[in-house]
Amino acid sequence: RKEVEQDPGPFNVPEGATVAFNCTYSNSASQSFFWYRQDCRKEPKLLMSVYSSGNEDGRFTAQLNRASQYISLLIRDSKLSDSATYLCVVNIVSGGGADGLTFGKGTHLIIQP
Amino acid sequence: DTAVSQTPKYLVTQMGNDKSIKCEQNLGHDTMYWYKQDSKKFLKIMFSYNNKELIINETVPNRFSPKSPDKAHLNLHINSLELGDSAVYFCASSQVELNYGYTFGSGTRLTVV
Repeated sequence: RKEVEQDPGPFNVPEGATVAFNCTYSNSASQSFFWYRQDCRKEPKLLMSVYSSGNEDGRFTAQLNRASQYISLLIRDSKLSDSATYLCVVNIVSGGGADGLTFGKGTHLIIQP
Repeated sequence: DTAVSQTPKYLVTQMGNDKSIKCEQNLGHDTMYWYKQDSKKFLKIMFSYNNKELIINETVPNRFSPKSPDKAHLNLHINSLELGDSAVYFCASSQVELNYGYTFGSGTRLTVV
């Protein structure tokens, strides 16, 4: 079973629409959660952290359901510039160690004019 | 002003050669990482390192070795390069206890011929 699973897409969405991605994670010890964005041939960049209470940053809303081990990202009023791959990421922080983030394979989003 | 910088950006080399990729961060972070992104775009951690502890992903061949002259640098040395080593290698850094996610370098695209 993969540690972080996402639908790879691609999701083809008209500009202005609302789109939602989900991911599931297998390790219940996961302690922190993020969405990263990766543009073609670029490095991943942090989009937002995900908190249990849900959090919003402009057009982006992230939700975490620890019981179901499920994370979501909602993008409202999508823009052409939102086209990218969205990576679901979890971190298992064990003591003072740094075991690294675990990345999903990403969901490819294409916003169409 | 680049927060995490790695060089070179592109590296083309023959099988059997030994090569190094350099990484420097000016964020004052205590932990640095190397990730490999293969042709299927899957990001996988290779190493995490702070001044106390090196954590190695057990799947990484021992031809790969991280070298850290100081807290701000984590270089990646690869011996006896193989065709399968072709990938994009990303350096990243974080301040573990702050849990703000990672900052990535722009990547080194390694092609072994």
